[in-house]
Amino acid sequence: GAGVSQSPSNKVTEKGKDVELRCDPISGHTALYWYRQSLGQGLEFLIYFQGNSAPDKSGLPSDRFSAERTGGSVSTLTIQRTQQEDSAVYLCASSLTGGAGTEAFFGQGTRLTVV
Amino acid sequence: GENVEQHPSTLSVQEGDSAVIKCTYSDSASNYFPWYKQELGKRPQLIIDIRSNVGEKKDQRIAVTLNKTAKHFSLHITETQPEDSAVYFCAAISGSARQLTFGSGTQLTVLP
Repeated sequence: GAGVSQSPSNKVTEKGKDVELRCDPISGHTALYWYRQSLGQGLEFLIYFQGNSAPDKSGLPSDRFSAERTGGSVSTLTIQRTQQEDSAVYLCASSLTGGAGTEAFFGQGTRLTVV
Repeated sequence: GENVEQHPSTLSVQEGDSAVIKCTYSDSASNYFPWYKQELGKRPQLIIDIRSNVGEKKDQRIAVTLNKTAKHFSLHITETQPEDSAVYFCAAISGSARQLTFGSGTQLTVLP
């Protein structure tokens, strides 16, 4: 595709429900990142996928958060038993190789609101 | 892992003045340092980057400098314009992990 695509753009969910956020990276990009951005805050790293390597999950804030990347392409971030503090914009980015000099392109984000 | 610190968190300048944003990093193996601009309600976009084998890079009104010894890099914007108002993020690629770590961001406001 032309860029990184995320869906849905907006998601309102009730506290305690599970949600799935989807990221379609740029075709051929082996590196994929998930970040969380609370209102007016910075980019909090969540998880990083690189090719067939084991993902770096060091940024996931709790065991309610998980992510997978199927076939080295599409990624899904799942939040179980959502809490109000999970409300944020979830950004996905992809880059060609993940190494130095390869630009990371961001999706438009999914705005998650937990009510 | 890598830790990137960014200062200041907010910066206001008069139109036409220069703006400087500074970042430090912890992993001496980091070798790539991009800067992203995020306008209100939009996604972050790359504006300039620098590799560790270069000390300075310039693109029109924007320049980035890198001091590997001090593990410090800075963004310089000259002749600022109102459209430069945005949040700017520095980042570093930690050498072995290749994970992109961001600073906390700087809200730049250019006053007309």
